[in-house]
Amino acid sequence: QVQLVQSGAEVKKPGASVKVSCKASGYTFIDYYIHWVRQAPGQGLEWLGWISPNNGATIYEQKFQGRVTMSRDTSISTAYMELSKLRSDDTAIYYCARSRVGTGYNNDYWGQGTLVTVSS
Amino acid sequence: DIQMTQSPSSLSASVGDRVTITCRASQSIATYLNWYQHKPGKAPQVLIYHSSTLQSGAPSRFSGSVSGPDFTLTISSLQPEDFATYYCQQTYRTPITFGQGTRLDIK
Repeated sequence: QVQLVQSGAEVKKPGASVKVSCKASGYTFIDYYIHWVRQAPGQGLEWLGWISPNNGATIYEQKFQGRVTMSRDTSISTAYMELSKLRSDDTAIYYCARSRVGTGYNNDYWGQGTLVTVSS
Repeated sequence: DIQMTQSPSSLSASVGDRVTITCRASQSIATYLNWYQHKPGKAPQVLIYHSSTLQSGAPSRFSGSVSGPDFTLTISSLQPEDFATYYCQQTYRTPITFGQGTRLDIK
């Protein structure tokens, strides 16, 4: 069965970086985009961007340009999201989710979420 | 960016009620509108995709429709497990954007 399993919770200081992993199983990794979505406390869902595991192409939400880097390792079917220059308002649950390649597809499987806490 | 305006932001209802949630996009998104259910401590789950297609495994009491610029999620008869937050999402163009959410509480 399809699974996306994320790395564990992180606590970081302001200005630091965090790297969250998302290991895929149960499907062909390169056939689906991996998206990253976050939810800050008391807030809604916010899309950060996606990566194509096939060729490494990325699209980032402009708000995160310069701070976010999405990457993948196809040999272990794992995607990564690194967020740098962390601020307190980056405290959130970060989710990975897959979608079919192309425009207009939904996120049908999600990881369990990774809590990132930014605190001095 | 395409803005998604969802209403209401919160809603109180009883088991057995019929509930509708609406989402409007700031520009045309064709039918590239999805609906998600999100419960605390769990990952979001897609209920409806392409405006009106029921996701495999989602209960048939959930339905989606579109009329002009308005997309609607309807729950025909609320069940206790339906109390959650619901989000619309457009995937017509990047950046992908979500509505602000509708929190559905027990009356």
